[in-house]
Amino acid sequence: GAVVSQHPSWVICKSGTSVKIECRSLDFQATTMFWYRQFPKQSLMLMATSNEGSKATYEQGVEKDKFLINHASLTLSTLTVTSAHPEDSSFYICSAARSTPTTYEQYFGPGTRLTVT
Amino acid sequence: ELKVEQNPLFLSMQEGKNYTIYCNYSTTSDRLYWYRQDPGKSLESLFVLLSNGAVKQEGRLMASLDTKARLSTLHITAAVHDLSATYFCAVDSGYGGSQGNLIFGKGTKLSVKP
Repeated sequence: GAVVSQHPSWVICKSGTSVKIECRSLDFQATTMFWYRQFPKQSLMLMATSNEGSKATYEQGVEKDKFLINHASLTLSTLTVTSAHPEDSSFYICSAARSTPTTYEQYFGPGTRLTVT
Repeated sequence: ELKVEQNPLFLSMQEGKNYTIYCNYSTTSDRLYWYRQDPGKSLESLFVLLSNGAVKQEGRLMASLDTKARLSTLHITAAVHDLSATYFCAVDSGYGGSQGNLIFGKGTKLSVKP
């Protein structure tokens, strides 16, 4: 159990266009999903926390108008990179949080590699 | 502000040897996670450590947590090439039952050589 999918797994787009990335929890409901960005040879940096039915909470330095997050249902969150530029090229990873009476854990998607030309 | 420091950042080991990766964090937390990442892939969950003194083992990897020292260790026993990957620790910024965000260390790139 606890499978998280992302789509697409990789995407190449031209500068100035927008790209949407989907994150789905396949076998559990996730009231909270997280979006991370990872540059080559670096660690994961949290971009935003996405809560179902409410606005996302963005980390300091992350432009909310550029990285649009929508948590449409308990199993789906989307990240749209608007007016993409080459510096937005990165590995984007989502995670979905699952709580039980005894534990809390984030399950990570396989990631989406975005290349902006 | 919670900060997480891992060391070493790079580790080159010979097969069969033992080594330990350290993860220090700066403020109180009661949830710590270890992940493995292979090149071009996402994170694979290795261990979830929820209490002081917690010790978990899976194969050649053993993780422990000392919440008083704010220190977790990932011990590698008799390393094999398949363990070559980048290992991250992550600390939950929440405490006392509340869940916060995961703050990641910079990762330890492990290379196991014959």
